Amino acid sequence: AQKVTQAQTEISVVEKEDVTLDCVYETRDTTYYLFWYKQPPSGELVFLIRRNSFDEQNEISGRYSWNFQKSTSSFNFTITASQVVDSAVYFCALGEGYGGSQGNLIFGKGTKLSVKP
Amino acid sequence: GAVVSQHPSRVICKSGTSVKIECRSLDFQATTMFWYRQFPKKSLMLMATSNEGSKATYEQGVEKDKFLINHASLTLSTLTVTSAHPEDSSFYICSARDFRWERPQETQYFGPGTRLLVL
Repeated sequence: AQKVTQAQTEISVVEKEDVTLDCVYETRDTTYYLFWYKQPPSGELVFLIRRNSFDEQNEISGRYSWNFQKSTSSFNFTITASQVVDSAVYFCALGEGYGGSQGNLIFGKGTKLSVKP
Repeated sequence: GAVVSQHPSRVICKSGTSVKIECRSLDFQATTMFWYRQFPKKSLMLMATSNEGSKATYEQGVEKDKFLINHASLTLSTLTVTSAHPEDSSFYICSARDFRWERPQETQYFGPGTRLLVL
């Protein structure tokens, strides 16, 4: 069965601190996709990153970085020098392999990040 | 690019009435759209997958007759909550996949959501 676990329900940090959001996934597919989405209080889901199962390169985008480790089935997300605007709920999601599949996304329960000034 | 809109953003209705929510892909064609439901402080739960020109595929436990989905064009899918009851109050979010060749086809782009309150 496919499953995404975000063990941290809520995290609170002070501005400029670094914070890592954990994501562990389970899947039997050999080809799959991992995503992070941000959901600010307004409710809209903002796409942050997509990773293929065959690409384990870590990625950095500004203050955001992602660490994909297939060996531990983890896809962790780090925000460096956090800012108040980073406050949101962050969802990790697992997508089925393309190639005729519906492409459903399985979401973790989300981690609520609060960044205090 | 890859913008998805939803209308209305918020709706309040009386119990027993039907509510239609529209999901549009504004700058791309979406052969597949998804409808999710999110309860307060909860994760997104997939309700159904909507393919243009065919019947939607519903997830287990989702009533087809209650949540009618129509995907009549490549840019529009609608969700109609029929005979709404207070327990249908929720945040409904749609998403669409962009099948343009230069786009990662597995990425879903989400609409801003619709908050439904049934009194």
